[in-house]
Amino acid sequence: GDSVTQMEGPVTLSEEAFLTINCTYTATGYPSLFWYVQYPGEGLQLLLKATKADDKGSNKGFEATYRKETTSFHLEKGSVQVSDSAVYFCALGNAGGTSYGKLTFGQGTILTVHP
Amino acid sequence: GAGVSQTPSNKVTEKGKYVELRCDPISGHTALYWYRQSLGQGPEFLIYFQGTGAADDSGLPNDRFFAVRPEGSVSTLKIQRTERGDSAVYLCASSLGGDGGNEQFFGPGTRLTVL
Repeated sequence: GDSVTQMEGPVTLSEEAFLTINCTYTATGYPSLFWYVQYPGEGLQLLLKATKADDKGSNKGFEATYRKETTSFHLEKGSVQVSDSAVYFCALGNAGGTSYGKLTFGQGTILTVHP
Repeated sequence: GAGVSQTPSNKVTEKGKYVELRCDPISGHTALYWYRQSLGQGPEFLIYFQGTGAADDSGLPNDRFFAVRPEGSVSTLKIQRTERGDSAVYLCASSLGGDGGNEQFFGPGTRLTVL
């Protein structure tokens, strides 16, 4: 079945540091890939997505590129801010077969950014 | 416009009791999903509705769990004979359709605690 593996956290960085959170996946067919973020006290919200190979999703300075050859969708940001402190989830949505677009999530990575 | 809403936000119950959790999706969204999120984990799929019908209930852990969406809008997740292991945050999400590329919008969740 489909699965998502994220780098284990927590990740602690200083403000303006470079961020990478690794994500790899296993899936049949041609899934879409997502990064969701959960800020403290808030619900899950979509950060960015890519729907086909080599697509790059971007939002709020974050980027991730859909790499089919390495089955990866790593999240990057060049300069993190304290306000980026949150839990980040990599997910895949697979419309193939009977999946009906349900999302399969990684376990989440806690990011803490210090001033 | 209004996002996905879930009630109650918190539910504390005793082992063996019956609970109902409600989800109001975004108006016009035909696809509705239930997920369960245990502490420190990513959300896990429970059930998917397209309109009134449950198109995929493969994630329901056992026959104590049941969900309905009688008019294709509001959905209720029902748990019979609750067990301590059912304690988790139950998330509802909706999207325009069941395609894997459609963004799913999540509600704030219901935190269920079974004593």
